[in-house]
Amino acid sequence: GENVEQHPSTLSVQEGDSAVIKCTYSDSASNYFPWYKQELGKRPQLIIDIRSNVGEKKDQRIAVTLNKTAKHFSLHITETQPEDSAVYFCAASMGSGGGADGLTFGKGTHLIIQP
Amino acid sequence: ETGVTQSPTHLIKTRGQQVTLRCSSQSGHNTVSWYQQALGQGPQFIFQYYREEENGRGNFPPRFSGLQFPNYSSELNVNALELDDSALYLCASSSAGTGLYTFGSGTRLTVV
Repeated sequence: GENVEQHPSTLSVQEGDSAVIKCTYSDSASNYFPWYKQELGKRPQLIIDIRSNVGEKKDQRIAVTLNKTAKHFSLHITETQPEDSAVYFCAASMGSGGGADGLTFGKGTHLIIQP
Repeated sequence: ETGVTQSPTHLIKTRGQQVTLRCSSQSGHNTVSWYQQALGQGPQFIFQYYREEENGRGNFPPRFSGLQFPNYSSELNVNALELDDSALYLCASSSAGTGLYTFGSGTRLTVV
């Protein structure tokens, strides 16, 4: 089955700086890669996603890049703010995410924004 | 439009007991998935239901079972509870084929 590795496990950045979280996946059949933000005690919320026919996607301060050849994808957050502090999870899925295999998640990155 | 709701929010059970967790899917969604999230880990896929049938399963034993009802709500049943079953159980709904999941806030299960 699919295996997703996520790094780093903890990331501390100064407010206003950029943060980058990286994930690798093992199954070349995976074609849907969402990122979730989970604040303490709350539900995971989708913040951005990318499908395998696209190399990069941006939404305001958040961007995701995908390298299918290397089987890795990254989350980039620019101009970080205190409210960006949370645990971020990457995930991978086959069947454009609509298949019956579900999402395979990484172990998460605890992002800490230092004031 | 209502989101995904789960009940109960917290539950304490004794090893060997059985538990049923419930999930109401978001309006317009016809697929429900269940995930187990251990403390400090990412969610792990348990199974998915579509048209009242299980159509996908992760690496979980048969004592984890489920149901989906005609209104697309769902139940997760766990028999013969073990201490390692202590976790946050998340339900996620989606429209089949979109891959866009909306998660509920979860049920925190503690097995003692």
